[in-house]
Amino acid sequence: AQSVTQPDIHITVSEGASLELRCNYSYGATPYLFWYVQSPGQGLQLLLKYFSGDTLVQGIKGFEAEFKRSQSSFNLRKPSVHWSDAAEYFCAVGEMGGGADGLTFGKGTHLIIQP
Amino acid sequence: DSGVTQTPKHLITATGQRVTLRCSPRSGDLSVYWYQQSLDQGLQFLIQYYNGEERAKGNILERFSAQQFPDLHSELNLSSLELGDSALYFCASSVRGGPGNEQFFGPGTRLTVL
Repeated sequence: AQSVTQPDIHITVSEGASLELRCNYSYGATPYLFWYVQSPGQGLQLLLKYFSGDTLVQGIKGFEAEFKRSQSSFNLRKPSVHWSDAAEYFCAVGEMGGGADGLTFGKGTHLIIQP
Repeated sequence: DSGVTQTPKHLITATGQRVTLRCSPRSGDLSVYWYQQSLDQGLQFLIQYYNGEERAKGNILERFSAQQFPDLHSELNLSSLELGDSALYFCASSVRGGPGNEQFFGPGTRLTVL
């Protein structure tokens, strides 16, 4: 069964500093990979996704992520964070071909922005 | 605004009761997904419907059931409620089934079981 690990429960970053949120997945083949953001009291919004091709994908709000097959990782990055980036971030994996289409989510990383 | 609507926003009920959560997908989306978000289990996929038919099941309890109607809205029925069922329940929709299709999430229904 596929699984997703986000090793950092909380991360605190100063405004303007760079950010990297870690995500590791367990899946036999090449998965569909996603990063979602959840602001307080809101639903989830898709930041970016990877299916195939270029391993560096660009998303909304200045985020990017890099797929590294050898490390089974899909880390999210942003060069300079803004106070409005404070939120919960979820990495998710989808199964390619047949089976359940529902996504498997990591436990999330809570991002705190220091002024 | 994702275009996915969920009602009610909040629901408070007692153990043993039954509730129904409603979801209207984005216009044109045929697939509806239900997820449960709790502190213990995180975000878990419950069930998926596609164009009125059940397509896939995840970690859905036997006390829970769902359906998708001809107008494509969906309802999640939770019965014999327990304290542990308290959670945020999300509905998501996508144009088609398949993990490659972006899922748009609604704002969720917060269920509190007392």
